[in-house]
Amino acid sequence: NAGVTQTPKFQVLKTGQSMTLQCAQDMNHNSMYWYRQDPGMGLRLIYYSASEGTTDKGEVPNGYNVSRLNKREFSLRLESAAPSQTSVYFCASSETTLSGHHNEQFFGPGTRLTVL
Amino acid sequence: AQRVTQPEKLLSVFKGAPVELKCNYSYSGSPELFWYVQYSRQRLQLLLRHISRESIKGFTADLNKGETSFHLKKPFAQEEDSAMYYCALRGEGNYQLIWGAGTKLIIKP
Repeated sequence: NAGVTQTPKFQVLKTGQSMTLQCAQDMNHNSMYWYRQDPGMGLRLIYYSASEGTTDKGEVPNGYNVSRLNKREFSLRLESAAPSQTSVYFCASSETTLSGHHNEQFFGPGTRLTVL
Repeated sequence: AQRVTQPEKLLSVFKGAPVELKCNYSYSGSPELFWYVQYSRQRLQLLLRHISRESIKGFTADLNKGETSFHLKKPFAQEEDSAMYYCALRGEGNYQLIWGAGTKLIIKP
């Protein structure tokens, strides 16, 4: 049981390049999240997905797109990377109860992205 | 606006001393409050949540609505408590967690 996995662990991009961060969970969770963490700041939500095929913008969605093609996987795409997107990116998942309550979030190990 | 403030970026105490990590929040309503922890080279994980009223690894946290605080306490710190601690808030009926900037706790031998 791997929990939440993320690839790659590290990535260096040049300004304008594109890339996709992959995230998968094997806990059968409905909800999945992408966060970014910058020095001296708390985690900020980029996008949220309540279920396969649905996504919602979080606090800082500009410059990112996401895709939730199935229950397990939730990918984050940077179409044209900018230095301001240098950050550590975390994926998380959680179970959502029938009443709509969100349980504990489980996190991946993170991806450290540098945009030059 | 919803906001979580952890006033200490770094807290250093000796082993066996009491620890208090501060968390203050701004929210008009009844929030859910959480403490998450990240040990060195490990993933971010839930430590405790106010609704469970548990003591985890000797840590407790009480929600004080009057002072809008959710401080994390442990009476006797252990070296293995050294980690980054994050306080987070979730509003009623919401999925989004609002995070504090974190406090790095160092327990000196």
